[in-house]
Amino acid sequence: GEDVEQSLFLSVREGDSSVINCTYTDSSSTYLYWYKQEPGAGLQLLTYIFSNMDMKQDQRLTVLLNKKDKHLSLRIADTQTGDSAIYFCAETLPISGGYNKLIFGAGTRLAVHP
Amino acid sequence: DAGITQSPRHKVTETGTPVTLRCHQTENHRYMYWYRQDPGHGLRLIHYSYGVKDTDKGEVSDGYSVSRSKTEDFLLTLESATSSQTSVYFCAIASLDRARNNEQFFGPGTRLTVL
Repeated sequence: GEDVEQSLFLSVREGDSSVINCTYTDSSSTYLYWYKQEPGAGLQLLTYIFSNMDMKQDQRLTVLLNKKDKHLSLRIADTQTGDSAIYFCAETLPISGGYNKLIFGAGTRLAVHP
Repeated sequence: DAGITQSPRHKVTETGTPVTLRCHQTENHRYMYWYRQDPGHGLRLIHYSYGVKDTDKGEVSDGYSVSRSKTEDFLLTLESATSSQTSVYFCAIASLDRARNNEQFFGPGTRLTVL
């Protein structure tokens, strides 16, 4: 079945690292995404990882992928108040023409406090 | 933002009335999607389109229909709105970049309240 699971809430102190975890079900997903949603806004693509990679680093963001356990994580180093948002994990499933649909987790609300 | 606009941005309507939401894109993308966002569920796919007059159902299509008569516009219609369709609706397009797996970009959303 198609199911992506995330913990719903994470609270961290400013300057600490944040780790948001996600599990997915479809081992054929070619890409896995992290989207960020700020209050009242749409979704912004934050980063992604190709399924044949174990890790991807992009400035303060590190994505780790464990394909065996179907586990994905997003680490934000030196978390700032501007990182407060909802973070969605999404897996891809093929539809037609080589394109995909996204299956989202419920989102993790990250709260950053001084 | 991939040139995606949605209208209206906010709407309040009554149960039983028809509602149409519009998604407009300016960059000639072939694939367009409609999602709904509800607390505890993340985003769920309602319908998608892969060209003019070519559409298909997603996971939560009951109670919704779509139309695409022009490449740039993808319409979502609630024939007879119900309170369970109160939600935030997002339109998305798939980029043409195969190297990035045709990643999806999202519009700003439409908040719909059905009383």
